[in-house]
Amino acid sequence: GENVEQHPSTLSVQEGDSAVIKCTYSDSASNYFPWYKQELGKRPQLIIDIRSNVGEKKDQRIAVTLNKTAKHFSLHITETQPEDSAVYFCAASSAYAGGTSYGKLTFGQGTILTVHP
Amino acid sequence: DTEVTQTPKHLVMGMTNKKSLKCEQHMGHRAMYWYKQKAKKPPELMFVYSYEKLSINESVPSRFSPECPNSSLLNLHLHALQPEDSALYLCASSQVLVGQGNAHEQFFGPGTRLTVL
Repeated sequence: GENVEQHPSTLSVQEGDSAVIKCTYSDSASNYFPWYKQELGKRPQLIIDIRSNVGEKKDQRIAVTLNKTAKHFSLHITETQPEDSAVYFCAASSAYAGGTSYGKLTFGQGTILTVHP
Repeated sequence: DTEVTQTPKHLVMGMTNKKSLKCEQHMGHRAMYWYKQKAKKPPELMFVYSYEKLSINESVPSRFSPECPNSSLLNLHLHALQPEDSALYLCASSQVLVGQGNAHEQFFGPGTRLTVL
């Protein structure tokens, strides 16, 4: 099935710095790539997503880039703030019924982001 | 209503008990999901329902039994659980099965923290 690898597993930055988290996927049929933020004891919340017909998407301080050829996508957070501290998960799914992640999200292992004031 | 709700928030049960987890959404979503999440790990898919029919069972042990009585409700019946089943159980929903059309976003509920003694 689909395999999503996420790096780094932990990331520590100073407030105001940028943070980058990278994911690779294995199923070339995957075409939807969301990023979720999960604060301690809370539910995962979608922060941004990208579809395979788009190379980059921005929403204020957050951006996601996708390289379909290389099968990797990245989350970029600029001007980090302490409230950005959380676990971030990337995921992938397929719209193609023969794709190995059709009908479900396959998650990466997560990145614990700590932003120091 | 743009929320997925889950009850109970916490549940402690013995290995011989039978209990049920409940999930509800009123967003008109036709796909609903059960995930299991261990601390600092990604959500692990258990079951997917699409239009009230079981679409995906990720080889979950039979001591977990899902039920979708109608398009708004999803239950997870628990029986003879093991201590290693202790985890956060998350329900999620999406407009249609993730990967179909353009309505991909999965909305997560707050979860039920399950402890098996």
